[in-house]
Amino acid sequence: EPEVTQTPSHQVTQMGQEVILRCVPISNHLYFYWYRQILGQKVEFLVSFYNNEISEKSEIFDDQFSVERPDGSNFTLKIRSTKLEDSAMYFCASSHDGTLSSYNEQFFGPGTRLTVL
Amino acid sequence: AQSVTQPDIHITVSEGASLELRCNYSYGATPYLFWYVQSPGQGLQLLLKYFSGDTLVQGIKGFEAEFKRSQSSFNLRKPSVHWSDAAEYFCAVGVLVAGTALIFGKGTTLSVSS
Repeated sequence: EPEVTQTPSHQVTQMGQEVILRCVPISNHLYFYWYRQILGQKVEFLVSFYNNEISEKSEIFDDQFSVERPDGSNFTLKIRSTKLEDSAMYFCASSHDGTLSSYNEQFFGPGTRLTVL
Repeated sequence: AQSVTQPDIHITVSEGASLELRCNYSYGATPYLFWYVQSPGQGLQLLLKYFSGDTLVQGIKGFEAEFKRSQSSFNLRKPSVHWSDAAEYFCAVGVLVAGTALIFGKGTTLSVSS
């Protein structure tokens, strides 16, 4: 069964460093998403991406964040200069299209736990 | 603004007992509602979803949920819990923006005792 994969499973970095979180969405999916979950908090939407551009982003997704589909299979989230408060679990998701059709579903990866020291 | 509340942070249920996980939502339009489950080390898996029609929705693994518009609720139920159901459960509302963001609750951790 196709699945979304994410690497690494855990990333530890120093404050101020750049990190890139990687995701491989399901191959025939067209919409990609990043969510994050700070420990003890709710899962929060960060950004959606379609046709090589951002479709929607939340207020969390500021200039420190960027997304890219560098090679047609990977989908990356970059944080330019990490802060302590960026420590969280980051989930990637993909869906076949961008509607809320009863036939559509967002498939989530297992997450990358980012720890900023 | 849209939001989802899961009032119970942690619930413990005996194996074989029934389960109900509560979810309340706030959304101005017709809600699109979801329940996801996350087992340790795994991604979020969709259990069931409600878009319209029958207010009692059947999902995978023997779960069901009932949409009650008057109570703004979408509670998840299972008649007999198995030890393998121990996981974290998230309720979410779908928001129709470009790309359809999901707005999640904080989650409820389910423990199953023998």
